[in-house]
Amino acid sequence: EVQLVESGGGLVKPGGSLRLSCAASGFTFSSYSMNWVRQAPGKGLEWVSSISSSSSYIYYADSVKGRFTISRDNAKNSLYLQMNSLRAEDTAVYYCARDTAWGQGTLVTVSS
Amino acid sequence: NFMLTQPHSVSESPGKTVTISCTRSSGSIASNYVQWYQQRPGSAPTTVIYEDNQRPSGVPDRFSGSIDSSSNSASLTISGLKTEDEADYYCQSYDSSNPVVFGGGTKLTVL
Repeated sequence: EVQLVESGGGLVKPGGSLRLSCAASGFTFSSYSMNWVRQAPGKGLEWVSSISSSSSYIYYADSVKGRFTISRDNAKNSLYLQMNSLRAEDTAVYYCARDTAWGQGTLVTVSS
Repeated sequence: NFMLTQPHSVSESPGKTVTISCTRSSGSIASNYVQWYQQRPGSAPTTVIYEDNQRPSGVPDRFSGSIDSSSNSASLTISGLKTEDEADYYCQSYDSSNPVVFGGGTKLTVL
């Protein structure tokens, strides 16, 4: 069974940093591109970042470019999102997602 | 950048059939696969259609996807509606410059 489990969310002050992790199991992680998608309270889905299977290609939404860094460790079947210079508008549930699978999400709250 | 436009809401009765549209603003809808995600209240999204018309294992065949080049749109059709189908539905596609683009979502009410 494909599983994606996010962790690392929490409450952080504006300007602070947080690192999200996503542990993958049940499939050959190294064969798939992976994505981070977020959803602000009461809003729709917003794409954040994508990384190709071998990390050769990396993309960011304009809203997070220069502040967030996506990475992966295929040996550990893990996906990461380093989030710096966090803003109130980054408050959202962050999902790790593959083409046909989603994690349960981790809540990031940016507030003083 | 292109956009995907969905109706804000649709409603239909149990047992009936409903279709949710997703119109691409520029570029051909047929050039890149479309995916559809279901999100029930308080839950994470799940994939109900990938690559235009493929169903992941476990998704009932009441769910089907299609594309229409004449209207440059994709559609998600749900037949034999059940109350458990009440959810938000999002379409998603991409192109060479935009790896992931979501539609704004459609709230399906089964009443």
